[in-house]
Amino acid sequence: AQKITQTQPGMFVQEKEAVTLDCTYDTSDPSYGLFWYKQPSSGEMIFLIYQGSYDQQNATEGRYSLNFQKARKSANLVISASQLGDSAMYFCGGGATNKLIFGTGTLLAVQP
Amino acid sequence: NAGVTQTPKFRVLKTGQSMTLLCAQDMNHEYMYWYRQDPGMGLRLIHYSVGEGTTAKGEVPDGYNVSRLKKQNFLLGLESAAPSQTSVYFCAIATGIAGNYEQYFGPGTRLTVT
Repeated sequence: AQKITQTQPGMFVQEKEAVTLDCTYDTSDPSYGLFWYKQPSSGEMIFLIYQGSYDQQNATEGRYSLNFQKARKSANLVISASQLGDSAMYFCGGGATNKLIFGTGTLLAVQP
Repeated sequence: NAGVTQTPKFRVLKTGQSMTLLCAQDMNHEYMYWYRQDPGMGLRLIHYSVGEGTTAKGEVPDGYNVSRLKKQNFLLGLESAAPSQTSVYFCAIATGIAGNYEQYFGPGTRLTVT
């Protein structure tokens, strides 16, 4: 069985501060990937960052980093120096190529 | 969304009507997917395809059919639409290369069934 859990329905953060969005996963696949996508109010799904289950180091992409803790089965997204344009819904996803599933999302609001 | 298009962008159907959603890609990726997104539910996989001529069921396949006659196109059909199928539908693609699981999404189709 596979499951992605995002326990924070909504988050607030002050502009220029860092914020962590939580994600835990449960999978029986020996090889899998974990993702984060951003969905602004316009509706498109924007890929942010990816972490493979065998990657030794945490993935980083600009202001985004993925805090991957395999023993805890967590894949939290850290956004540094938040910007107003970061206000959006964020989805954690995970699985293998044909079994990707998503959490229910976290709505992030960046306040000036 | 580059390389993945969805047609139409919006559609309103009456209960019992049928329609087909088209996903087209120009990235030559093997894997294609159809998801639906409902409030509070995240995205759920309906059907997927790992290559031309192949299809498989996802998490919520009932009421939908799919076809992948050409590598670049993945069609999602609703034979008899129901109000429960009111949703936003996303198509996604992936390379299919082992270890590369990144998915690229289309812009979505908003479907309302009355």
